[in-house]
Amino acid sequence: AQKITQTQPGMFVQEKEAVTLDCTYDTSDQSYGLFWYKQPSSGEMIFLIYQGSYDEQNATEGRYSLNFQKARKSANLVISASQLGDSAMYFCAMRGFGTGGYNKLIFGAGTRLAVHP
Amino acid sequence: DTGVSQDPRHKITKRGQNVTFRCDPISEHNRLYWYRQTLGQGPEFLTYFQNEAQLEKSRLLSDRFSAERPKGSFSTLEIQRTEQGDSAMYLCASQFRAGTDTQYFGPGTRLTVL
Repeated sequence: AQKITQTQPGMFVQEKEAVTLDCTYDTSDQSYGLFWYKQPSSGEMIFLIYQGSYDEQNATEGRYSLNFQKARKSANLVISASQLGDSAMYFCAMRGFGTGGYNKLIFGAGTRLAVHP
Repeated sequence: DTGVSQDPRHKITKRGQNVTFRCDPISEHNRLYWYRQTLGQGPEFLTYFQNEAQLEKSRLLSDRFSAERPKGSFSTLEIQRTEQGDSAMYLCASQFRAGTDTQYFGPGTRLTVL
């Protein structure tokens, strides 16, 4: 069975500082994909970054980077130079195997990030 | 706006009533997903369509729930005889094709059952 664990219910960071949000995963598959989404209070899930299990380099998208440690089964999100607008829920997810192949996303419980001025 | 859209954004209903939600995916995305998110939790998969075919349904999708995607474009999710436990955010996502492509989410429909 596939599972995502996010152990930090809430995190605080000072504006302009960097913050790391933790994510560990469990899967027996050799090929898998990991995602991070941001959910502001408005409710929409906003895609941030993707890491494939065979990607040799850690994924980066602007201020977001993914610290992928395959042996530890961790995929932590690093946000550099935090901004007030980064305050939101952050979800780690992986693609789950179902009928007909990989389709659904399996999400962790999320981490609420608060950025302080 | 060419993103995923959902309607309505909010729905308040009384227990026992039927409700229907609509999702319009990104144009040319042939996969469409429904998820449910309860307070303080991550989204949970309900069902997905490839074009007009419903390929998988979660055990969370009781017989009071039905989803359709006629003509492979927009999709509807209907809940019959709503219960208070159905109160949640219902999220729709679309994906261009199977494989590594990202799922893009709509703004969600927040359902409150009184």
